[in-house]
Amino acid sequence: RKEVEQDPGPFNVPEGATVAFNCTYSNSASQSFFWYRQDCRKEPKLLMSVYSSGNEDGRFTAQLNRASQYISLLIRDSKLSDSATYLCVVILNTGGFKTIFGAGTRLFVKA
Amino acid sequence: GAVVSQHPSWVICKSGTSVKIECRSLDFQATTMFWYRQFPKQSLMLMATSNEGSKATYEQGVEKDKFLINHASLTLSTLTVTSAHPEDSSFYICSAVNPRGRNSYEQYFGPGTRLTVT
Repeated sequence: RKEVEQDPGPFNVPEGATVAFNCTYSNSASQSFFWYRQDCRKEPKLLMSVYSSGNEDGRFTAQLNRASQYISLLIRDSKLSDSATYLCVVILNTGGFKTIFGAGTRLFVKA
Repeated sequence: GAVVSQHPSWVICKSGTSVKIECRSLDFQATTMFWYRQFPKQSLMLMATSNEGSKATYEQGVEKDKFLINHASLTLSTLTVTSAHPEDSSFYICSAVNPRGRNSYEQYFGPGTRLTVT
């Protein structure tokens, strides 16, 4: 079983749609969680940190469920520019700091 | 936000030669930097953790003698791919942790270096 799992998609949605991605992690020592977006042939860019209390940044809402070991990302009112791969990132702290990336979920927003 | 640069952005080299990639944090000091490799349509794979002033920590399966990492200052880490072979062709990305960031685990990525070995 992979340490961080995501549905690879692709998700094809029309502009204005609401889309949700989930990510599950297997290691209970996971300490911090992030969503990054990566455009084709570019580096990942931090989208938002994820907290148990949930956090929102404009059209984006992230949620962490420690009991079930999953995190989610909700995108409202999708824009064409949201088309990208969304990476779930988990930080393990097992005596050292280790970053685990999910394989990413591909999103296509079409007009 | 924090800025990380990488140089070169792309390089083509012949098999058997060595290639050095630089990673710089431009507006903050990074005691820890990471080096990743990404093959097409795959996720980033951590290669090593680079700590300023000490030896890098390599992930399992990554040859430390082939991928030399030097973190000589708080703003610069270098990755040297020695005796490169075609299978080393990949997208190499570095990242740095900003210790003064909102979240101490947030990583900021360089733009990546696309290496092609012929």
